[in-house]
Amino acid sequence: GAGVSQTPSNKVTEKGKYVELRCDPISGHTALYWYRQSLGQGPEFLIYFQGTGAADDSGLPNDRFFAVRPEGSVSTLKIQRTERGDSAVYLCASSLIPGLVNTEAFFGQGTRLTVV
Amino acid sequence: DQQVKQNSPSLSVQEGRISILNCDYTNSMFDYFLWYKKYPAEGPTFLISISSIKDKNEDGRFTVFLNKSAKHLSLHIVPSQPGDSAVYFCAAHTGGKLIFGQGTTLQVKP
Repeated sequence: GAGVSQTPSNKVTEKGKYVELRCDPISGHTALYWYRQSLGQGPEFLIYFQGTGAADDSGLPNDRFFAVRPEGSVSTLKIQRTERGDSAVYLCASSLIPGLVNTEAFFGQGTRLTVV
Repeated sequence: DQQVKQNSPSLSVQEGRISILNCDYTNSMFDYFLWYKKYPAEGPTFLISISSIKDKNEDGRFTVFLNKSAKHLSLHIVPSQPGDSAVYFCAAHTGGKLIFGQGTTLQVKP
């Protein structure tokens, strides 16, 4: 596809359940980022992949959150034992070269996660 | 602690006038700054950027000014158009990732 694709666009889950959020980056983009945007806030960094490996996972809030990118393309963000505070829009972005200096990250439309 | 701050949650201007969106930051090691625009139910889209070695960058109706001594940057939109109505995020680059401000909602009235 032409842009970054995220599925599902909306996800409602019960507290305590496990969820997976998927990101299909732009073809050929080696860097992939996950951000979380809570209501009234700016996007908050979660994790950054360079190829298959996590280059920086310092933004993951706790060990309930995990992300993978096994073949260096599609990435999945996994959240275990979801809590109501996990409700947010989860944004994925990809970029052609590592880092974001002198380039731009292209964002997907996001997955709106609601934990009830 | 908020390293990138946008202290005005909203701004309303008349069509044809100038819109000025402000952003403050605390980390002098940020080397690049970007502005993103976001419409409802869409992801943020890149608007304009500036390197920390410059003090101004212009692209059509959009100009970004950087004042490093004050750790302040601003986005000027002139003339403003109703289609510019959106949420604008300021972001700073460090270590391969972006740190975003809280956003400013701009409304341009016809």
